[in-house]
Amino acid sequence: DGGITQSPKYLFRKEGQNVTLSCEQNLNHDAMYWYRQDPGQGLRLIYYSQIVNDFQKGDIAEGYSVSREKKESFPLTVTSAQKNPTAFYLCASSISSGAQHFGDGTRLSIL
Amino acid sequence: AQSVTQPDIHITVSEGASLELRCNYSYGATPYLFWYVQSPGQGLQLLLKYFSGDTLVQGIKGFEAEFKRSQSSFNLRKPSVHWSDAAEYFCAVGEDNQGGKLIFGQGTELSVKP
Repeated sequence: DGGITQSPKYLFRKEGQNVTLSCEQNLNHDAMYWYRQDPGQGLRLIYYSQIVNDFQKGDIAEGYSVSREKKESFPLTVTSAQKNPTAFYLCASSISSGAQHFGDGTRLSIL
Repeated sequence: AQSVTQPDIHITVSEGASLELRCNYSYGATPYLFWYVQSPGQGLQLLLKYFSGDTLVQGIKGFEAEFKRSQSSFNLRKPSVHWSDAAEYFCAVGEDNQGGKLIFGQGTELSVKP
């Protein structure tokens, strides 16, 4: 079945450490997105990519980095510069301006 | 600035009662409109979408929504709520020139009383 796979489901970060969240899709979608969700809040866009080897900052890109070397993959790195990384991270993909399809998320916590 | 407002943070309805979740948006041209549902610890599932045409759209799980341009609204409705509908519901808006980006509302948490 086609879909979006996020891994791991739970992730723990130590102080000063970078961690990378994986997002893979087999829907043949051109566009991919990363969101951050905090309790009681909506989704905030971190980064998005419309084509391979290109990506743009969203509303809260500081402390995060991404790459888009393959159409199927859009990993997100939470760097040590992100001082409040504890959140639920969601990856999504879509065809141009179509509906976005979401993965099951990764919950990141600080040790 | 573009924005999406879901005025109700939390709604409680009795099982079998009707449901309406409100969504208002502020957008330039003709928007694309979506409703998503999220169960705890899960990703978002698309309930329905509006791009053009008939302003009353049908979705999955018995949900429907009506686009009212004059009121800048896209309210979600269900005639009879089931206990399994308890979840968080998000309205989202996109536009042609936004590269597929969506703006999400803050969400409405739905509780269902037996």
